Amino acid sequence: QVQLVESGGGVVQPGRSLRLSCAASGFTFTSYGIHWVRQAPGKGLYWVAFMSYDGNNKYYADSVKGRFTISRDNSKNTLSLQMNSLRAEDTAVYYCAKDHLPGNSRPSFFDYWGQGTLVTVSS
Amino acid sequence: DIQMTQSPSSLSASVGDRVTITCRASQGISNSLAWYQQKPGKAPKLLLYAASRLHSGVPSRFSGSGSGTDYTLTISSLQPEDFATYYCQQYYSTPHTFGQGTKLEIK
Repeated sequence: QVQLVESGGGVVQPGRSLRLSCAASGFTFTSYGIHWVRQAPGKGLYWVAFMSYDGNNKYYADSVKGRFTISRDNSKNTLSLQMNSLRAEDTAVYYCAKDHLPGNSRPSFFDYWGQGTLVTVSS
Repeated sequence: DIQMTQSPSSLSASVGDRVTITCRASQGISNSLAWYQQKPGKAPKLLLYAASRLHSGVPSRFSGSGSGTDYTLTISSLQPEDFATYYCQQYYSTPHTFGQGTKLEIK
């Protein structure tokens, strides 16, 4: 079955960096794009970033563009999110989520989600 | 960015009731709409996509409809496990955006 397992969350001071990872299994990782979606405590869902199946296309929300970098290692079935210059408003549970459409260079919707990892930005 | 507005924000209903949640986009999204269910402390789960297509394993009491800017999620007969928060999401254009959520509570 499809499994996505996030790791790397924690407490970090404003302005510092953190790297999240997402380990995927149960599907052909090299055929699917993967997203990051976050949810601030008690709030709704917010799409953060997407990387296409082959790593050639990346999309970011404006609020993280220039600060966050998405990457993937298809040899290890992992996706990463490098988060720099963190702000208090980045505090959230971060989910990785699998895109539904194989071989898609553009993001669509999310058919499977990980359990999330909590990032807290606080001094 | 496309704004997604869900209504109502919260809803109280009883087991067996039929409920409808509405999602309105700020511009046409050509049925590029998905619905998710989220329970407290858990990740969201996909219910429907392309406005009306049921995701694998989702009970048939869930259905979706709509076109253009206006879409609905209907639960034909509420079950105890359906009490949760529901989100719509447009994937017509980036950034992909979600509605603010509808919390479905037991009456």
